[in-house]
Amino acid sequence: SQQGEEDPQALSIQEGENATMNCSYKTSINNLQWYRQNSGRGLVHLILIRSNEREKHSGRLRVTLDTSKKSSSLLITASRAADTASYFCATASYSGAGSYQLTFGKGTKLSVIP
Amino acid sequence: KAGVTQTPRYLIKTRGQQVTLSCSPISGHRSVSWYQQTPGQGLQFLFEYFSETQRNKGNFPGRFSGRQFSNSRSEMNVSTLELGDSALYLCASSLSGGSPSYEQYFGPGTRLTVT
Repeated sequence: SQQGEEDPQALSIQEGENATMNCSYKTSINNLQWYRQNSGRGLVHLILIRSNEREKHSGRLRVTLDTSKKSSSLLITASRAADTASYFCATASYSGAGSYQLTFGKGTKLSVIP
Repeated sequence: KAGVTQTPRYLIKTRGQQVTLSCSPISGHRSVSWYQQTPGQGLQFLFEYFSETQRNKGNFPGRFSGRQFSNSRSEMNVSTLELGDSALYLCASSLSGGSPSYEQYFGPGTRLTVT
């Protein structure tokens, strides 16, 4: 079942602009992660934010987490054509037996126009 | 380190057949998870193996099964294939699913088409 729900489903921007994607989830989490997927290929881990963190930066990426609203946002600054991909949020929750399970949303498809 | 590898990359099968997909995790990673990705349902968790034991299972029918070997390599099997099983099957490895820093490293996937 899907826990994270991304918004918008698709986003088209000009190169150099900023892109913001949002993610909402339903249950308590240990951490939330963002992944990127280029056209039907494997996912690449971008950034992880723990439930006790509010904001995290990595290069041109900025992630925020609001556990009271059960939401997160991913900001990509100064976008490039190479950022064109689908972006997924994934929530990590304890699933018992010493294991954490990742549950993915359906993703935001980002198109950056040169 | 070499990344996660999956074989085969592409596969075409007929309804009713069975299929086995293989995944080799990053060296030292003991946890292997499998996901099914379709346009309609998105990424759905199939199961996770750790030290040759299935530790977690998603909501899929018993036709979907898997196993993990002592070298952490994993296989998943789908029996009696249905048209709806057409999907990209992704394998991901991590050091341990028991860590809160649960970063997964994904393979390129196996594209399965059922006709």
